[in-house]
Amino acid sequence: QVQLVESGGGLVKPGGSLTVSCAASGFTFSDYYMHWIRQAPGKGLEWVAYISSSGKTAFYADSVKGRFTLSRDNAKNSLSLQMNSLRDGDTATYYCARDEGSYTFDFWGQGILVAVSS
Amino acid sequence: AIQLTQSPSSLSASVGDRVTLTCRASQGIDSDLAWYQQKPGKAPSLLLSDASSLASGVPSRFSGSGSGTDFTLTISSLQPEDFATYYCQHFSIYDLTFGGGTKVEIK
Repeated sequence: QVQLVESGGGLVKPGGSLTVSCAASGFTFSDYYMHWIRQAPGKGLEWVAYISSSGKTAFYADSVKGRFTLSRDNAKNSLSLQMNSLRDGDTATYYCARDEGSYTFDFWGQGILVAVSS
Repeated sequence: AIQLTQSPSSLSASVGDRVTLTCRASQGIDSDLAWYQQKPGKAPSLLLSDASSLASGVPSRFSGSGSGTDFTLTISSLQPEDFATYYCQHFSIYDLTFGGGTKVEIK
């Protein structure tokens, strides 16, 4: 069965960096676009970024453009989101999600908390 | 960027009720809309895509309609497991936007 497991979250100071990862299993990872979506505590969902199946193309929300970098390793079935220059507003649960084929998300990980605070 | 406005932001309903949730887009988006359900402490799950196509494994009491700017999600007979927050999402290659959500609570 499809599984997506996030890791690497934690507490980081404003201006700091953190990398969150997503391990995929149960499907042919290299066939699918992948996304990160986040949810601030008690708030709604915000799409963050996606990466093409080959890894050649990534696209970011304006709120993270220039600070976050999304990459993937198809040999290791893994996805990584490197987050730099973190701000208080980046505090959220970060979910990795599989693209169903039309920029909708058919499988989600359980989420990982990133907290930015001094 | 396209804005999605969901209404109401919350509602109270009883088991067995017919419930209709609305999502309005700031400009026409054809049928490029999905709906998700999120229960507390859990990841969202896909209910419908292309405004009205039921995702795999989703009960038939869920249905969606609309195109252009106005969309609805209907639950024909509310079940205990349906109490959750529902989000609409517009999808396109360069614009992926969620609505603010509608929380469905027990009356």
